[in-house]
Amino acid sequence: SQQGEEDPQALSIQEGENATMNCSYKTSINNLQWYRQNSGRGLVHLILIRSNEREKHSGRLRVTLDTSKKSSSLLITASRAADTASYFCATDDWGGKLIFGQGTELSVKP
Amino acid sequence: NAGVTQTPKFQVLKTGQSMTLQCAQDMNHEYMSWYRQDPGMGLRLIHYSVGAGITDQGEVPNGYNVSRSTTEDFPLRLLSAAPSQTSVYFCASSSNRVREKLFFGSGTQLSVL
Repeated sequence: SQQGEEDPQALSIQEGENATMNCSYKTSINNLQWYRQNSGRGLVHLILIRSNEREKHSGRLRVTLDTSKKSSSLLITASRAADTASYFCATDDWGGKLIFGQGTELSVKP
Repeated sequence: NAGVTQTPKFQVLKTGQSMTLQCAQDMNHEYMSWYRQDPGMGLRLIHYSVGAGITDQGEVPNGYNVSRSTTEDFPLRLLSAAPSQTSVYFCASSSNRVREKLFFGSGTQLSVL
């Protein structure tokens, strides 16, 4: 079964609002990564957070990691229409596999 | 700089036919992997490789074979295609064995009739 479970499955917001997506996982991880996929395209790496980190920022992205709850969240601040995409978390299980969640479909309306 | 190149972009097969999906990267990446993406299922790992001559199974390896004879290439073989293998297939690579940032190809859309 998949390591990461994402919530919500779909999210619709207005431009300028913040978007928060959550990811839960099951086993011990080395790191957790977030990727973005525009419709019909390959995935693009956004940000990585290691198991010994609690928070990381990159531009309008903020990622948190709570290893005690086995969960992570991705916050996109001041969303733009161009942020419309699917977002996936992926967990590295130390054993050679990078396992993806089912994704959150974000729609940002102008 | 081409990155990760997948061919073909689209393919239609009949049940029982065989084919090879090609994946090549020009970044000298050690780690390469194949995923399939189905609606509502996210991406599922099929096979991966941490270097030339080394391959291992992912989450859903049945029905697929891989080999890694060079650093650049990681082909995925379907020996006897089944309708359940209808999916979008993505190849991805990473600069080290720790898989800290995957670079993805643009995908192959496969239909098995």
